[in-house]
Parts: sequence; structure tokens; C-alpha cells
Amino acid sequence: AQRVTQPEKLLSVFKGAPVELKCNYSYSGSPELFWYVQYSRQRLQLLLRHISRESIKGFTADLNKGETSFHLKKPFAQEEDSAMYYCALSDYGGATNKLIFGTGTLLAVQP
Amino acid sequence: SQTIHQWPATLVQPVGSPLSLECTVEGTSNPNLYWYRQAAGRGLQLLFYSVGIGQISSEVPQNLSASRPQDRQFILSSKKLLLSDSGFYLCAWGLGYNQPQHFGDGTRLSIL
Repeated sequence: AQRVTQPEKLLSVFKGAPVELKCNYSYSGSPELFWYVQYSRQRLQLLLRHISRESIKGFTADLNKGETSFHLKKPFAQEEDSAMYYCALSDYGGATNKLIFGTGTLLAVQP
Repeated sequence: SQTIHQWPATLVQPVGSPLSLECTVEGTSNPNLYWYRQAAGRGLQLLFYSVGIGQISSEVPQNLSASRPQDRQFILSSKKLLLSDSGFYLCAWGLGYNQPQHFGDGTRLSIL
């Protein structure tokens, strides 16, 4: 069954420390993975997607098919990175794609 | 540019009452539309999606229903709310294959 697992509910780091938000997936086909972020009092928004292979706000994520992982990384955390982060898997079916979300990880960056 | 509106932002309803949450999208045509729910301590779960007017697919059996009376309007309804319907409901739109989804602000529904 398709599934996304984010094992950490809360990740607390100090400003300037490296960050890694873990995401593992289970999918029978070729996965399309996303990271969404929700800052306080803002709507859920796309952070990055694996096919873009880009860095957004200093964050990167590499798809590792061998380990079925898509961990989100940033070398130096900033206080403004504090937010809820969701890993999502796109389950394609016909003309639409349905997102399967993990339970989310709350990142708290301490000063 | 495309925008998505979802209302109300919060709603408190008694058990057994009806429900209607509305979502509209502007700036795009024939979007795929989605309703998600986030229950306490759980991730976002897809409830319904629609690829066109009058076309609704349900992902999980439940007390809720959805309708799409117009191209850019998506409504989540219930005839009789249950306590278990409490949660945070999000509407989203996307353009289909290989495209990300864009979310509304959400509705926090509390059932008393």
C-alpha cells in the first residue's frame, strides 16, 4: 500500500545547526515526492518537489529509491524555518494526482 | 494569477446539524479539485477529488459528501454531522499529472 512515514513529530534544533527532516515512502510505481510547509498563520504551501532538483530557501531533498527515502535537509537552520513540514507522495490515477501525506514534523529552531 | 478561497475559517456545529463548506478557485480553468481532512494527531487525508463538473470521487467511506456544481466551485457537505467529523478541512486545486497542488486556508470544524 502507498504510504508516507515521517517518524519525528517534533524536531528542535539551534539556529545555525544542520537540519534533516526524515521521510520514507512505500509506493509500487515510480514515485513523485513533494515537501510542503506550513508557517504559523499561513496556508500550506509547496516547498519543493524531487523532479525539480532545486534548492528552495536553502533546503534540498534527494530521492533515494534504494532506501525509499526523501529526507529534507538544510545545512544551517534559521529561526524563520520554524514551521510544520509535510512530506507527500503523488499517487497518479488517470487525469489526477492524489497526494498521500505523512503526519508532519514540527521544526522548531531555537535562537 | 490563480487564487483559492475557502470559507468559513472556523465553524462550530452541534451533532446532527448539516454542513456546507465552500471552496472556489479563480484564475484557472478546469482544475482538479480536492478536499482533505486533518484529524488531530494525524496527517492530511484525501476525502474527495473532482476532475470536472459533476464528477466526484470518494476516497474513504464517511458521513460527508462533495459536489462540484460549477467548474471552479467545490462544496463539502453533510446532512447530519457526527462528533468524528471534527477536524481541519483543506481544499486544494491542481492541474493534474505531474503538477503540485495549491491549498486554501482551511476550515476548522468543531462538533459539539
